[in-house]
Amino acid sequence: DGGITQSPKYLFRKEGQNVTLSCEQNLNHDAMYWYRQDPGQGLRLIYYSQIVNDFQKGDIAEGYSVSREKKESFPLTVTSAQKNPTAFYLCATSRDSHNSPLHFGNGTRLTVT
Amino acid sequence: RKEVEQDPGPFNVPEGATVAFNCTYSNSASQSFFWYRQDCRKEPKLLMSVYSSGNEDGRFTAQLNRASQYISLLIRDSKLSDSATYLCVVDLDQGGKLIFGQGTELSVKP
Repeated sequence: DGGITQSPKYLFRKEGQNVTLSCEQNLNHDAMYWYRQDPGQGLRLIYYSQIVNDFQKGDIAEGYSVSREKKESFPLTVTSAQKNPTAFYLCATSRDSHNSPLHFGNGTRLTVT
Repeated sequence: RKEVEQDPGPFNVPEGATVAFNCTYSNSASQSFFWYRQDCRKEPKLLMSVYSSGNEDGRFTAQLNRASQYISLLIRDSKLSDSATYLCVVDLDQGGKLIFGQGTELSVKP
């Protein structure tokens, strides 16, 4: 059964701790994306990757880091430098970076206190 | 000017009404456009891609106006189940940087 798996669904952390959000896909899609959504707002692009071992910053990359060592995986680390990390994080994939729509995972709700 | 901007809403309409949303984008070279639907606290779901010649899927019609740099979504004969937030997405630089508008909330009332 093909899909995008984000885990965990809910995550709680103390301020000052780094936390890594998982995103795995078995759709064989080339491109992967991380978005952040705050209540009542649209999705903002954090990082995206069109190919293994390469990724680009989105509009709000500060305080985040990613890696793309395998085609199937695109983990996002929220570092202690991110000032307001509490948000809904969505991972997405697309078949390629040309005219292909995004497919989303179920998201991870991160709460930092 | 925001890279991608939508009507803020909310739109409150009665069942059976026709409603239209617009989404403007900043880069005239943009080529890929999509409309998504998002229900409360869920991930966005693809509603339809937007093609240059315009396209229709049942009660939904998407249009692209390159001269004025906007896309639109028309919903005819609104149903209660159409209540959701509608998000436009634009590939701004044709390099896979897919940017969302802030979303337009639609509430269809009986």
